[in-house]
Amino acid sequence: DAKTTQPPSMDCAEGRAANLPCNHSTISGNEYVYWYRQIHSQGPQYIIHGLKNNETNEMASLIITEDRKSSTLILPHATLRDTAVYYCIVRGGNSGYSTLTFGKGTMLLVSP
Amino acid sequence: GAVVSQHPSWVICKSGTSVKIECRSLDFQATTMFWYRQFPKQSLMLMATSNEGSKATYEQGVEKDKFLINHASLTLSTLTVTSAHPEDSSFYICSAWLGFEYFGPGTRLTVT
Repeated sequence: DAKTTQPPSMDCAEGRAANLPCNHSTISGNEYVYWYRQIHSQGPQYIIHGLKNNETNEMASLIITEDRKSSTLILPHATLRDTAVYYCIVRGGNSGYSTLTFGKGTMLLVSP
Repeated sequence: GAVVSQHPSWVICKSGTSVKIECRSLDFQATTMFWYRQFPKQSLMLMATSNEGSKATYEQGVEKDKFLINHASLTLSTLTVTSAHPEDSSFYICSAWLGFEYFGPGTRLTVT
């Protein structure tokens, strides 16, 4: 699976949008971009995933560039409970399982 | 959404003893489950892939005789840490596959 690069930390004010970038320049055509987050001392929580089109769900939006070499996770109105480590992971196609490789992620700190 | 539970949430055991951690998929059947380990301030590291009714597949460097995995049913996988030592103290997290990985809340193991 392709490797990802994320900034180690980011700050965001409560109520503002949090935009978390991820570079995955070696992504191949059948690989998906997944985002998980881990709140302190809890298991990771699935947020969203996409292949090439932008995706939105009740938690977040995922914007993938046209060349698919980078993506941005957007939390539209960050709250204090969104403080967590956010992991951007690239993994193989949806047919059958393939393992997740967790990098160091981005520590997002949402402040009042 | 799919729910994965772990039991116990935390455990303290003495060096040399064995401890079993359970991972259950509560509202779905999971042919494949995964076990991860996370040391303080580090990312998750995959230990093994557990398939129902067959032997687990261990990642390189993980001792299969020390970390026994049993996936006897479609909703239960267990991890037994045998002859635990203080260096086995860690946060153990399982996940279950249902199109993508749903994670449990984790088990904090402390070996004294």
